[in-house]
Amino acid sequence: KQEVTQIPAALSVPEGENLVLNCSFTDSAIYNLQWFRQDPGKGLTSLLLIQSSQREQTSGRLNASLDKSSGRSTLYIAASQPGDSATYLCAVRPHLVGKLIFGTGTRLQVFP
Amino acid sequence: DAGVIQSPRHEVTEMGQEVTLRCKPISGHNSLFWYRQTMMRGLELLIYFNNNVPIDDSGMPEDRFSAKMPNASFSTLKIQPSEPRDSAVYFCASSFRVTPTDTQYFGPGTRLTVL
Repeated sequence: KQEVTQIPAALSVPEGENLVLNCSFTDSAIYNLQWFRQDPGKGLTSLLLIQSSQREQTSGRLNASLDKSSGRSTLYIAASQPGDSATYLCAVRPHLVGKLIFGTGTRLQVFP
Repeated sequence: DAGVIQSPRHEVTEMGQEVTLRCKPISGHNSLFWYRQTMMRGLELLIYFNNNVPIDDSGMPEDRFSAKMPNASFSTLKIQPSEPRDSAVYFCASSFRVTPTDTQYFGPGTRLTVL
């Protein structure tokens, strides 16, 4: 059974820092992996999607990498801002028609 | 577009009562998903529809839960009878298609508290 773990559960950093959020999954046979952002009291917003054949994806200050063989993905946030404060979730899709399996998230706070 | 609309935003009910959650997907989207989020279990997919037809309901916890999609612009998730362990935030999401790379757009969620 696929399990997705995110470490750390919470992170507090000063504005301007570069930071890395970690996601690990137990079964390396995945179709793709996504990173989402969740703001308090709101739904999820998709940030980046990495196909199993890809190593990384970039969007602005965000860079997500995927190492399928080791069952790991990282989300790198450059020059963090208070507006980046949110919970970040990763989710894996085990196969083409499978459902997304979510991690429990990392709650990020960026203070001025 | 207003995005995915869910109602109510908050629901407090007593154990044994029937609860109905509502969702209006983004116009033109053909796929709709119901999720449940709790501290203990995180975010879990309950059921999803494609073109108003239920495709995978394996995440529905038990027979007390049922979902319908009578037309392309409306879906309900019903819990009858409700129990305290059903307390959670329930999200509805929609996407243009059900392919693995299609972006799912989430609603703001319904926070359900069963006393």
